[in-house]
Amino acid sequence: EDKVVQSPLSLVVHEGDTVTLNCSYEVTNFRSLLWYKQEKKAPTFLFMLTSSGIEKKSGRLSSILDKKELFSILNITATQTGDSAVYLCAVDSGGSNYKLTFGKGTLLTVNP
Amino acid sequence: GAGVSQTPSNKVTEKGKYVELRCDPISGHTALYWYRQSLGQGPEFLIYFQGTGAADDSGLPNDRFFAVRPEGSVSTLKIQRTERGDSAVYLCASSVSNQETQYFGPGTRLLVL
Repeated sequence: EDKVVQSPLSLVVHEGDTVTLNCSYEVTNFRSLLWYKQEKKAPTFLFMLTSSGIEKKSGRLSSILDKKELFSILNITATQTGDSAVYLCAVDSGGSNYKLTFGKGTLLTVNP
Repeated sequence: GAGVSQTPSNKVTEKGKYVELRCDPISGHTALYWYRQSLGQGPEFLIYFQGTGAADDSGLPNDRFFAVRPEGSVSTLKIQRTERGDSAVYLCASSVSNQETQYFGPGTRLLVL
């Protein structure tokens, strides 16, 4: 059974801190890994990673994938209160349905 | 442009009732997915449509759950004889094709009393 594990499950930091969120996976096949930010209900897309070692960056957020060790990290620098959310990691494990297998998420709280 | 929309935002029903949840995907997106998210968990796959057909319904928990997409655009998730355990947020996602990024709607929060 495909499995995605995120750590930590929750994290509280102060504005300006840098955080690293972790995602490890065990899947039958691997096509891509995705990160989403979920503030209320709708997960909003952040990154899609398909190749090892290539960092994807968007403003203060960046992410990288290690396909040998089967994990990814999401970094957020100079955190702001607006970064408070659940961050979800998902893997597209191939097959004909392209469904995503999600981890439980990391709840990030950024205090002023 | 407009994103994925879902209606209603919230639905409260009584055990045993029938409910329908609607999803309007992004225009032109051929692939549509339904997921269910329970409290403290990540979304779990329910069903995938490519065009009008349900290409994979392996995630539907039992035969009380059914979904349609008759014209290849709007989809409706139908739950018969609702149970308290069906309470969750039901998320819909669409993508240009099944190999592209999935974009999620705001979800419908279903509460079965």
